[in-house]
Amino acid sequence: AQSVTQLDSHVSVSEGTPVLLRCNYSSSYSPSLFWYVQHPNKGLQLLLKYTSAATLVKGINGFEAEFKKSETSFHLTKPSAHMSDAAEYFCVVSENSGNTPLVFGKGTRLSVIA
Amino acid sequence: DTGVSQDPRHKITKRGQNVTFRCDPISEHNRLYWYRQTLGQGPEFLTYFQNEAQLEKSRLLSDRFSAERPKGSFSTLEIQRTEQGDSAMYLCASSSEGGFDGYTFGSGTRLTVV
Repeated sequence: AQSVTQLDSHVSVSEGTPVLLRCNYSSSYSPSLFWYVQHPNKGLQLLLKYTSAATLVKGINGFEAEFKKSETSFHLTKPSAHMSDAAEYFCVVSENSGNTPLVFGKGTRLSVIA
Repeated sequence: DTGVSQDPRHKITKRGQNVTFRCDPISEHNRLYWYRQTLGQGPEFLTYFQNEAQLEKSRLLSDRFSAERPKGSFSTLEIQRTEQGDSAMYLCASSSEGGFDGYTFGSGTRLTVV
């Protein structure tokens, strides 16, 4: 069965410093992996996706993630945090070429300090 | 088409009452999903449709829950005899077949059972 583990429930960074949100996945098949962001009282927004093409994936708002099969990881990074990045971030997996429903991690709350 | 629409945005009901939520997906998407999100957790899969066919139901979906998508367009999720534990955000999403581009989520219906 597929699953994801987000290793930190809360991450706090200073504005302008790098962001690292960690995610490990478990999948029996070649997975599709996603990161979604949820701002307070807003819907879930897709940040980026990995679907077996390039292992380094670039998304919106300067975020990127690297698929590492040997480490079963898909960590989300951003070189420089902005105040508007404060939100809840979800790592998500789907196996069987996207034909099984998305499975979400528990989320990581990112706080950005001025 | 401006995305996935959910109605109502908020619903407060008394325990034991029935409630129904509606979701209008992106018109080109043939897949529609229902998820439930409780406070501090990631969304949990409930059920999904491909066109009008309900292809998968989670064990979370007790027999008090029923979902329909009669013409392969909008969908309804009904909860009968609501319980306080049903209080949550109910999210609808849609995707093209395979979900390679991820899902587009609606803003959700927040249910409070008092």
